[in-house]
Amino acid sequence: DAKTTQPNSMESNEEEPVHLPCNHSTISGTDYIHWYRQLPSQGPEYVIHGLTSNVNNRMASLAIAEDRKSSTLILHRATLRDAAVYYCILRAPGGGADGLTFGKGTHLIIQP
Amino acid sequence: NAGVTQTPKFRILKIGQSMTLQCTQDMNHNYMYWYRQDPGMGLKLIYYSVGAGITDKGEVPNGYNVSRSTTEDFPLRLELAAPSQTSVYFCASSYSRVTEAFFGQGTRLTVV
Repeated sequence: DAKTTQPNSMESNEEEPVHLPCNHSTISGTDYIHWYRQLPSQGPEYVIHGLTSNVNNRMASLAIAEDRKSSTLILHRATLRDAAVYYCILRAPGGGADGLTFGKGTHLIIQP
Repeated sequence: NAGVTQTPKFRILKIGQSMTLQCTQDMNHNYMYWYRQDPGMGLKLIYYSVGAGITDKGEVPNGYNVSRSTTEDFPLRLELAAPSQTSVYFCASSYSRVTEAFFGQGTRLTVV
């Protein structure tokens, strides 16, 4: 699976939108873009994933650049419970079942 | 739904002791994974399985063994515990390589 680059940390205020960027310049045409988050002292939690089109679910939105070399996870109205480490991971459909490759992610800090 | 269940939640082992970390899932997923997470770091893959009877090594398999006799269960065995195995262990499962992965709450292991 190709590599991703994320900022080490970001800070936002409660009840404001948060845009978490991810660069993946070596993405291949079949790579899916996955986002997971890990709250303190918990296991990772799936947030959203997409291939080419923008995606929305109850937790967040995923905006994918036209050339797919970058993407942005959007939390529309951050709460204190959204403070977590957010991981952007590429996943190709082919290959073995080797697991998700977690980098260091972005540590999101939410100020009240 | 229970999802992915790990037991125990906490354990202290003495150097040289053995133990099995249990993982079970009730979603009929073929893909299952074991990760470890050291303080302040991302998750690293220990072993994975694509179905009953099939397992393979991940990034950091030394000192561990696994088995997969049923679809539901994927236990992780530590034969001779060492202080370097002090970590938080997460089990996960997924339907396919590109669908969302579900994680357990983790087992915090300390080897003294």
